[in-house]
Amino acid sequence: RKEVEQDPGPFNVPEGATVAFNCTYSNSASQSFFWYRQDCRKEPKLLMSVYSSGNEDGRFTAQLNRASQYISLLIRDSKLSDSATYLCVSLGGSGTYKYIFGTGTRLKVLA
Amino acid sequence: GAVVSQHPSWVICKSGTSVKIECRSLDFQATTMFWYRQFPKQSLMLMATSNEGSKATYEQGVEKDKFLINHASLTLSTLTVTSAHPEDSSFYICSAIGAGSSTDTQYFGPGTRLTVL
Repeated sequence: RKEVEQDPGPFNVPEGATVAFNCTYSNSASQSFFWYRQDCRKEPKLLMSVYSSGNEDGRFTAQLNRASQYISLLIRDSKLSDSATYLCVSLGGSGTYKYIFGTGTRLKVLA
Repeated sequence: GAVVSQHPSWVICKSGTSVKIECRSLDFQATTMFWYRQFPKQSLMLMATSNEGSKATYEQGVEKDKFLINHASLTLSTLTVTSAHPEDSSFYICSAIGAGSSTDTQYFGPGTRLTVL
């Protein structure tokens, strides 16, 4: 079983739609989680960190459920420019800075 | 702030040659840098962790004699793919953590696309 798992998609949604991605992780010692966005043939860019209390940044909301070991990302009012691959990242257990990436979920927002 | 550059951005080489990729932190000092590899439609896979002034730590399955990593200064790490073969063709990305950083955020370089003919 992969340490971080995501549905690869693609998710094709119309402009203005709300879309949610989930990601599960297997290492219960993982302390930090992130969502990164990766455009085709580019490097990943940090979208947001994920906190237990949940956090919101404009149209984006991230949640962490430690009991069920999953992370979610909600995008409201989708824009064409949101089309990208969204990578779920788990920071390995304590004492390490190693990122474990999921395979990514591909989102395509359609006009 | 927290800009990481990579050079070259792309390279095409013949099988059997060696290729060096540079990763630089431009506006901060990086005690730790990471090297990743990404094949098409796959996720980033960590190859090695590079600490300034010490030997790199390689992930399982990554040949340290084939992928030479040098982190000689707080702003530069290099990855040399020795005797490259077509199966080494991939997108190589580095990232860095700032020295004394209180966060665990990694800053990524723009990547180097390697094609081995």
